[in-house]
Amino acid sequence: QKEVEQDPGPLSVPEGAIVSLNCTYSNSAFQYFMWYRQYSRKGPELLMYTYSSGNKEDGRFTAQVDKSSKYISLFIRDSQPSDSATYLCAMIGAGGTSYGKLTFGQGTILTVHP
Amino acid sequence: EAGVAQSPRYKIIEKRQSVAFWCNPISGHATLYWYQQILGQGPKLLIQFQNNGVVDDSQLPKDRFSAERLKGVDSTLKIQPAKLEDSAVYLCASSFQGAGGETQYFGPGTRLLVL
Repeated sequence: QKEVEQDPGPLSVPEGAIVSLNCTYSNSAFQYFMWYRQYSRKGPELLMYTYSSGNKEDGRFTAQVDKSSKYISLFIRDSQPSDSATYLCAMIGAGGTSYGKLTFGQGTILTVHP
Repeated sequence: EAGVAQSPRYKIIEKRQSVAFWCNPISGHATLYWYQQILGQGPKLLIQFQNNGVVDDSQLPKDRFSAERLKGVDSTLKIQPAKLEDSAVYLCASSFQGAGGETQYFGPGTRLLVL
């Protein structure tokens, strides 16, 4: 079983739709949670970062963490064609072998069509 | 602030040949990472440096992969000899100190195709 599970999609939505991306994890040591966006032929860029359960909002993006269920989500409101990319969830542990080490999900390919 | 620089951007080689990738991290970042990203997968950490010392190389295939970070700035990742399954994007990332929850910044990657 992988430490981080993410549905690879692909996910195709019309412009303006609300997008929901999700990851589950099994390692209780994970305490820091990120979402990276990766455009084609580019490196991942940090989109959202959180370390506590609950919601964190940044413009059209909301990151949600539920540590009790080991489940994280990214919501994109009013999606735009420029949001078309691969979205990677990533986690870092606060101790043990996962300390300071980014563990990524598989990535979800998102396409927003006009 | 300049980002993480990598070269070359693309490389095509035949199996059993050798190849080297170069990375220049963000100025002032003590920690440097090399990741391997196979098509359709998330990046996987190969090696982590703190200044010029290795912190973690547990997932580096040491029989064919090597990496160095002389003088604690630039880094080189080498594969010798390459196998077909080494076809992937090799990403370099850096962070300020490498502390537990610190943000890592990625370069554009080097796309390797082994024929």
